[in-house]
Amino acid sequence: QKEVEQDPGPLSVPEGAIVSLNCTYSNSAFQYFMWYRQYSRKGPELLMYTYSSGNKEDGRFTAQVDKSSKYISLFIRDSQPSDSATYLCAMKGKSNFGNEKLTFGTGTRLTIIP
Amino acid sequence: EAGVVQSPRYKIIEKKQPVAFWCNPISGHNTLYWYRQNLGQGPELLIRYENEEAVDDSQLPKDRFSAERLKGVDSTLKIQPAELGDSAVYLCASSLDRARDETQYFGPGTRLLVL
Repeated sequence: QKEVEQDPGPLSVPEGAIVSLNCTYSNSAFQYFMWYRQYSRKGPELLMYTYSSGNKEDGRFTAQVDKSSKYISLFIRDSQPSDSATYLCAMKGKSNFGNEKLTFGTGTRLTIIP
Repeated sequence: EAGVVQSPRYKIIEKKQPVAFWCNPISGHNTLYWYRQNLGQGPELLIRYENEEAVDDSQLPKDRFSAERLKGVDSTLKIQPAELGDSAVYLCASSLDRARDETQYFGPGTRLLVL
């Protein structure tokens, strides 16, 4: 079993719809949770960064973490064609040494249809 | 501010040939990472440098892969000899340092095809 599970999609939704992307994980030591966006033939770019459980909002993006269920989500409101990309969840544990290794999901390929 | 620079962007080689990838991190970033991303998968860490020191190379296949970061700035990742299964995108990332900002900034990657 992989430490991080993510539905690879592909997921296609009409423009303006709310998008929900999810990951589950098995390692209870994970405490930092991230969402990266990766456009075709580009490197991943950080979208959201959350620590422990709770919600975090940034514009049209909301990240949710439920540590009790080992489940994280990314919501995109008013989706735009420019949101079409692969979305990767990533997570790491807490260490006194910092810079813990990131464990990525497989990524979900999202297409927003105009 | 310039981002992480990688070259070449694409490389096609025959198996058993050597190949090298180059990375220039964001200016001032002490930590540098090399990742491998297979098709349809997330990136997997190969090696992490803190300045010149390789502090995590547990996932680097040391029989054929090597890396260096001379003077704690640019880095080179080498594969010799390459195998068919090495076909992937090799990503370089950098971060400031753990005390201030651990956010990793990724380069565009080098897409390697081994024939």
